[in-house]
Amino acid sequence: QSVLTQTPSVSAAPGRKVTFSCSGTGSNIGRDSVSWYQHLPGTAPKLLIYENDQRPSEIPDRFSGSKSGTSATLAITGLQTGDEADYYCAVWDSSLTAYVFGSGTKVTV
Amino acid sequence: EERLVESGGGLVQPGGSLRLSCAASGFTLSVYSVNWFRQAPGKGLQWVSYISSNRDKSYYEDSVKGRFTMSRDHAKNSLYLQMNSLRPEDTAVYYCARERRGSYFDYWGQGALVTVSS
Repeated sequence: QSVLTQTPSVSAAPGRKVTFSCSGTGSNIGRDSVSWYQHLPGTAPKLLIYENDQRPSEIPDRFSGSKSGTSATLAITGLQTGDEADYYCAVWDSSLTAYVFGSGTKVTV
Repeated sequence: EERLVESGGGLVQPGGSLRLSCAASGFTLSVYSVNWFRQAPGKGLQWVSYISSNRDKSYYEDSVKGRFTMSRDHAKNSLYLQMNSLRPEDTAVYYCARERRGSYFDYWGQGALVTVSS
């Protein structure tokens, strides 16, 4: 049972936009910055968004993040087949003294 | 090029031990905090442990506390995860990742598979 709640899967046609959320509590998302990762099992996870809405220079601006209260959202516009992967949110939880991940959202294009 | 490479994975019997290594190249690992994560078959990513850059703090996920220990070797630009009393539920691909100020992980290794089975 993950501490952070994510929609299990989303599906959309190429070129469309998808958004999915990451819901937490006041001891994690409500207190600290959220990061997002793209992951294909067996490969290294890739940082997509850090500090809620910041994007590493190599990540295209099709990816964007936001946070409000105890929820965070990742949006992908102009969906491409190469975006098919699992997406995870992560944040430090001050009550657990641990990093917590969402259960992951599988994106199908 | 900045890289992290894990090694030391393999098959071990329940109750056995294994030591994973995380070697850095292209940057000085000692100035960063580092975390270990894992992904069990069919499951999502899970945080396992953290060690600060100066080794004064370490944290562990509840199920591994008392069994797993992180250590660092600044001279070898590496760190380690000593795993004792291994259980079948510890079977997973283990990743090390560099932590940046702001509580995020910008570089990850490619993973090391640990299988605990008789």
